[in-house]
Amino acid sequence: SSELTQDPAVSVALGQTVRITCQGDSLRNYYATWYQQKPGQAPVVVIYGKNSRPSGIPDRFSGSSSGNTASLTITGAQAEDEADYYCNSRDSSGTYLGVFGGGTKLTVL
Amino acid sequence: EVQLVESGGGLVQPGGSLRLSCAASGFTFSSYEMNWVRQPPGEGLEWVSYISSSGSSIYYADSVKGRFTISRDNAKNSLYLQMNSLRAEDTAVYYCARDDGDSNDVWGQGTLVTVSS
Repeated sequence: SSELTQDPAVSVALGQTVRITCQGDSLRNYYATWYQQKPGQAPVVVIYGKNSRPSGIPDRFSGSSSGNTASLTITGAQAEDEADYYCNSRDSSGTYLGVFGGGTKLTVL
Repeated sequence: EVQLVESGGGLVQPGGSLRLSCAASGFTFSSYEMNWVRQPPGEGLEWVSYISSSGSSIYYADSVKGRFTISRDNAKNSLYLQMNSLRAEDTAVYYCARDDGDSNDVWGQGTLVTVSS
């Protein structure tokens, strides 16, 4: 297995742009999936693959990757984006999505 | 509607056992790999176990290896997690999640397991 590292907390002013990062060796070989989780709810995918959004996810969410770092960018953050965000990647064999980052709590000011 | 519904959580004493179930509907369950993911109260997500679509390939997190057993019944559209020798640190909300090849794209609502005397 491997590890993914995220900043525990990030804040952004309403309407501004924020980047949440995720670092780990597995990201050199596999894309990160990003999940949004609000209190009392199950995680929801916001970005997967190179930079794909599931149906219903606003286009202010985007993803990118370079080397061992994956990033989730929210352009024009809204109050409803306040949540915990987790990155997730495959294990070293690429078989299963077995590695999660510790999560980043996003506060929208 | 694509849906996963977990059940079987509850309060159990340390050293006890519990069997979680995950009922799938709205999609061809037998075509998808599945994962169990847990989240201790106030903490982050932790992958627990994976099973391939046929059930022939299985993996576990080191923290549960030898104590937990994942299985599936494709005829019943169901995923299971047998948890033995439970410890206080196993206390968490347990989610089942569908792996569509790119992500865990569908999650259940979770079932709470509390290990306490």
